[in-house]
Amino acid sequence: SQQGEEDPQALSIQEGENATMNCSYKTSINNLQWYRQNSGRGLVHLILIRSNEREKHSGRLRVTLDTSKKSSSLLITASRAADTASYFCATVDIAGNKLTFGGGTRVLVKP
Amino acid sequence: DGGITQSPKYLFRKEGQNVTLSCEQNLNHDAMYWYRQDPGQGLRLIYYSQIVNDFQKGDIAEGYSVSREKKESFPLTVTSAQKNPTAFYLCASSNQGVNTEAFFGQGTRLTVV
Repeated sequence: SQQGEEDPQALSIQEGENATMNCSYKTSINNLQWYRQNSGRGLVHLILIRSNEREKHSGRLRVTLDTSKKSSSLLITASRAADTASYFCATVDIAGNKLTFGGGTRVLVKP
Repeated sequence: DGGITQSPKYLFRKEGQNVTLSCEQNLNHDAMYWYRQDPGQGLRLIYYSQIVNDFQKGDIAEGYSVSREKKESFPLTVTSAQKNPTAFYLCASSNQGVNTEAFFGQGTRLTVV
């Protein structure tokens, strides 16, 4: 079973709009990470948020983490056509050994 | 260039045959991972290794085997016991330590014919 579940499964927006996707997980974590995957390729790391952090920014990305609700969100502001990809959250367990991924959100940004 | 390399990119296997997927990294990372991805789905963890000569089963280890004889290499064997092996396989590595990102290879697409 997968640790993280993402919502929505797919998202279609116009260029310039913001894209928000959510991730829920089941067990306690050490940190949560977001990755991006272009079709048929490997994943690329975007941002990591530690369990004692609540919000983090990186360029046009904003990530929040609510450990009481076991959930995280990724916001991409001012989206571009090049942001079209699948986005995955991943959690690292408390022991720091296991990296487990969610089902992903497919984002389509229309020019 | 430093990185993580998977080979081959495409692999075809006849039913009943074992096949081995290669994963090599020159990042000096201690941890390595194997994931399976089915079309339109997320990544499911097959096996992972935190150190040479040691590895643990992930969520879907049945029908797969691995070895970690060298720090740089973490080959995955898909055995004939894996009933539905057609999938996209991704290898990743990361530094030892909790708050580190994983680096991924470009994947191997395995098709059973």
